[in-house]
Amino acid sequence: DQQVKQNSPSLSVQEGRISILNCDYTNSMFDYFLWYKKYPAEGPTFLISISSIKDKNEDGRFTVFLNKSAKHLSLHIVPSQPGDSAVYFCAASASHAGNNRKLIWGLGTSLAVNP
Amino acid sequence: KAGVTQTPRYLIKTRGQQVTLSCSPISGHRSVSWYQQTPGQGLQFLFEYFSETQRNKGNFPGRFSGRQFSNSRSEMNVSTLELGDSALYLCASSLGLVGSNNQPQHFGDGTRLSIL
Repeated sequence: DQQVKQNSPSLSVQEGRISILNCDYTNSMFDYFLWYKKYPAEGPTFLISISSIKDKNEDGRFTVFLNKSAKHLSLHIVPSQPGDSAVYFCAASASHAGNNRKLIWGLGTSLAVNP
Repeated sequence: KAGVTQTPRYLIKTRGQQVTLSCSPISGHRSVSWYQQTPGQGLQFLFEYFSETQRNKGNFPGRFSGRQFSNSRSEMNVSTLELGDSALYLCASSLGLVGSNNQPQHFGDGTRLSIL
């Protein structure tokens, strides 16, 4: 059962426009969410995160929005650039007994930014 | 500051063999996690090591094992390899345990393991 879902396997946008990547989760215990970007033949790179006590976090061109009632988060990239073309992963974690956490990952969305 | 280093980058093995993958974390990072990435399953968590102790474990069979050394370097071992073990194996390091103080994980470029 996929607890973190990225329902769009791919997304294509024009350079300069906004890219919106979506992520849904099912576990209401998740309280920390991250976005990673992955280029081919490289490991994922941390992009931005958000704690469940917030509903928005912004870092330059990247903004993550969290809607806890809908169990939904989104990553906005404005303006999109060709170098943003990559696979974007959403990940979530919850605190378990003994304070152990593990990240649960979505399957990724492949973003193509066209010049 | 050097990133997470994984060796080897590529590996070809046959069914029934065993393999050891290596990961050197970012200097000062004490947590090392291992993931398996396959096209259909995404990133699946294998285990996390911190201060030479396994702190967390995913749902993989006992053929998958790991260890961490006093310098925080980690190795992952897979015994009796199966065709389904073909995947990209990623190592990630962080200062503290995953999720502690909201410290993100930093990934290596992975080891591509192919089983023939």
